[in-house]
Amino acid sequence: QKEVEQDPGPLSVPEGAIVSLNCTYSNSAFQYFMWYRQYSRKGPELLMYTYSSGNKEDGRFTAQVDKSSKYISLFIRDSQPSDSATYLCAMSVPVQGAQKLVFGQGTRLTINP
Amino acid sequence: DGGITQSPKYLFRKEGQNVTLSCEQNLNHDAMYWYRQDPGQGLRLIYYSQIVNDFQKGDIAEGYSVSREKKESFPLTVTSAQKNPTAFYLCASLPRRSGDAEKLFFGSGTQLSVL
Repeated sequence: QKEVEQDPGPLSVPEGAIVSLNCTYSNSAFQYFMWYRQYSRKGPELLMYTYSSGNKEDGRFTAQVDKSSKYISLFIRDSQPSDSATYLCAMSVPVQGAQKLVFGQGTRLTINP
Repeated sequence: DGGITQSPKYLFRKEGQNVTLSCEQNLNHDAMYWYRQDPGQGLRLIYYSQIVNDFQKGDIAEGYSVSREKKESFPLTVTSAQKNPTAFYLCASLPRRSGDAEKLFFGSGTQLSVL
């Protein structure tokens, strides 16, 4: 079983729709939960991060963490064509003084005008 | 502007050849990482280094080697022992101090293909 599972999609929705992206994990020692956005053939860029259960909002984006269910989500409201990208969830745990990050497979999202 | 520079953007390897991917950062970060990205598989850790002259194997280190002679530089060599090297390679850096996981910065990547 992979430590982090993410539905690879692809996911295609019309402009203006609410998008829900999800990851599940098995390692209860994960401390930080991140969402990265990656445009084609570019490096991932950090979108959201949180370290506690609950919701964190930033503009059109909301990150949700449920540690009891080992489940995290990213919601995108009023989706735009510019949101079309691959979204990667990532989780970190300290290992021998360093942060070990484990990434999900990535979900490819297309927003259709 | 601070950041991570990866070069070249595209690289081609012939059979039996070793190739080296460059990664330089001016963020004054202690830790540096190399990831491999294949379609549908997310990012997998190859090697990481927390300080100069020290590095550890990640989950898929076989067929790769690294060095960390300077804080700013963490080159990755893909050796001829790596039989399936075609992938997108990403370098990243992070402040060493625990609790800064959200400060992971990525370079723009190198696409390696086999001729």
